[in-house]
Amino acid sequence: DAGVIQSPRHEVTEMGQEVTLRCKPISGHDYLFWYRQTMMRGLELLIYFNNNVPIDDSGMPEDRFSAKMPNASFSTLKIQPSEPRDSAVYFCASSPLGQGSYEQYFGPGTRLTVT
Amino acid sequence: AQTVTQSQPEMSVQEAETVTLSCTYDTSESNYYLFWYKQPPSRQMILVIRQEAYKQQNATENRFSVNFQKAAKSFSLKISDSQLGDTAMYFCAFSIKNPNQFYFGTGTSLTVIP
Repeated sequence: DAGVIQSPRHEVTEMGQEVTLRCKPISGHDYLFWYRQTMMRGLELLIYFNNNVPIDDSGMPEDRFSAKMPNASFSTLKIQPSEPRDSAVYFCASSPLGQGSYEQYFGPGTRLTVT
Repeated sequence: AQTVTQSQPEMSVQEAETVTLSCTYDTSESNYYLFWYKQPPSRQMILVIRQEAYKQQNATENRFSVNFQKAAKSFSLKISDSQLGDTAMYFCAFSIKNPNQFYFGTGTSLTVIP
């Protein structure tokens, strides 16, 4: 199994630009999570999906952030417009929770730098 | 409210020695899972070990073992025969199913000294 795949691994952009982060979960996993990690705030859950449906987006910081999961094998997290305070590592994780397994499997993360 | 507390922001251990990382949590749920994740400098989050709350037997994975005290809501990680590759941030986490929630502690930075 290839594991959770995220792209790009690194993204550097200027303030005001649109940023799109991509994630391919592990095949068969019915839950997908987006996290943000910073030194100041640690690991924060932004949003999660069950069977492609957003369940809880209360962690999304503001309307500039949006996430979609058009099918079981792909999800995006978009920031528009981006700001320097969005600089962080963004993780995608998937879980076979519906099959009774609670652990989450993380992708390698995308390091986002907004200048 | 569910919380996870890791009271040791940083720890160090000599190579080949044993170290224990502490974790406490709070939940009113009876059915949940506990995890330790490792995040090395590569930043990849790696699942180290998991414990099912309804199992009394402590989980073990090679050099990693846990001391699960359900009544005390304590879930510590013991690393035996520490290796340089164990240098990483370690996160304690727990998960409940209904609603599905996953809670992480703030992490313990472990350095293995040669």
